[in-house]
Amino acid sequence: DAKTTQPPSMDCAEGRAANLPCNHSTISGNEYVYWYRQIHSQGPQYIIHGLKNNETNEMASLIITEDRKSSTLILPHATLRDTAVYYCIVRGHTGRRALTFGSGTRLQVQP
Amino acid sequence: EAGVAQSPRYKIIEKRQSVAFWCNPISGHATLYWYQQILGQGPKLLIQFQNNGVVDDSQLPKDRFSAERLKGVDSTLKIQPAKLEDSAVYLCASSEGQGNTEAFFGQGTRLTVV
Repeated sequence: DAKTTQPPSMDCAEGRAANLPCNHSTISGNEYVYWYRQIHSQGPQYIIHGLKNNETNEMASLIITEDRKSSTLILPHATLRDTAVYYCIVRGHTGRRALTFGSGTRLQVQP
Repeated sequence: EAGVAQSPRYKIIEKRQSVAFWCNPISGHATLYWYQQILGQGPKLLIQFQNNGVVDDSQLPKDRFSAERLKGVDSTLKIQPAKLEDSAVYLCASSEGQGNTEAFFGQGTRLTVV
């Protein structure tokens, strides 16, 4: 699975959009981009995933660049409960392999 | 639906002692994972089961760690003997099957080895 690069930490004001970047320049054509988050003292929680089209669900939006070498997770109106570590993961289409977590981005939502 | 259940939530043992963790995945989920998460790091896969067969245990320290999934449902992870560096959160996760399906994680067991 392709390696991902994320900033170690970010801050965001409550009520504003949080934009979390991820670089995955070695991604191959059949690899998906997944986002999970981990709130303190809890297990990781699935947020969203995509292949090449932008995706949106009730939690977030995922924007993948046309060349698929980077993506951005958008939390449209961040709340204090969104404070967590966010993991960007690239995973092959066969899905036989488990999720491989990096160090993620620690998002701190400020009041 | 009920989530992934793990027990105990916390465990403190002395080095060289043994310890076991239990996981009950979401009903009907064929794939079960055990991860180790050391403080400040992302989770690292220890072992992956598909039903009661092992798919990947390449990162499991087999000299001291063992895991089983009886009847393809519950799973137990054991450490014997424990070392100080085994202090971590042990996370269990399950998914419906292999492939690009969502994995659901339990709250984990926090192990402290003293």
